[in-house]
Amino acid sequence: SQTIHQWPATLVQPVGSPLSLECTVEGTSNPNLYWYRQAAGRGLQLLFYSVGIGQISSEVPQNLSASRPQDRQFILSSKKLLLSDSGFYLCAWSTGFRGARNQPQHFGDGTRLSIL
Amino acid sequence: RKEVEQDPGPFNVPEGATVAFNCTYSNSASQSFFWYRQDCRKEPKLLMSVYSSGNEDGRFTAQLNRASQYISLLIRDSKLSDSATYLCAVRRSTLGRLYFGRGTQLTVWP
Repeated sequence: SQTIHQWPATLVQPVGSPLSLECTVEGTSNPNLYWYRQAAGRGLQLLFYSVGIGQISSEVPQNLSASRPQDRQFILSSKKLLLSDSGFYLCAWSTGFRGARNQPQHFGDGTRLSIL
Repeated sequence: RKEVEQDPGPFNVPEGATVAFNCTYSNSASQSFFWYRQDCRKEPKLLMSVYSSGNEDGRFTAQLNRASQYISLLIRDSKLSDSATYLCAVRRSTLGRLYFGRGTQLTVWP
């Protein structure tokens, strides 16, 4: 069965510090991968998605970036965090198989990021 | 216009009540539809997919109305454990990204 791992679970960082959040998926190949942010009391905001190694689409221009160095690894980074980067960061995957129909996304446990 | 819109609630209902949520979508070509449940400070979890003919999973019934471009979720015999935020999600194409509503908050009280 497929599993998704995301770490760390919680993170407290000072303003201006760098960030690296990692997400890995097991049990599937060539998944579509996604990074979301959910601010307190707000909806899910799609930040980045990837359909393959090295292929990243950005939904929201900001000081975050994403990379996909391996098929089942997705990394969210920042060189300098802002106070507004606080939130709940969620990685998700869905099948990349083109013959699939009606396939949902599955989320990791999330990382709660607080910027001080 | 937003891709997906939901009434944020909150809905406060007693145990045993029946409650229904609607979610409207703007793109008539949308192909896949889902309901997710998100507990406080947790990740969204898939509750059920929504099929054209409607589908049921225990106390939960999901329906799709393509003509009016909305999906619905009906919860019968509400339990305290049903308290959560319910998010709808819509996909335009077979493998495209999901568009999520902001969620509807449900509280079931004893």
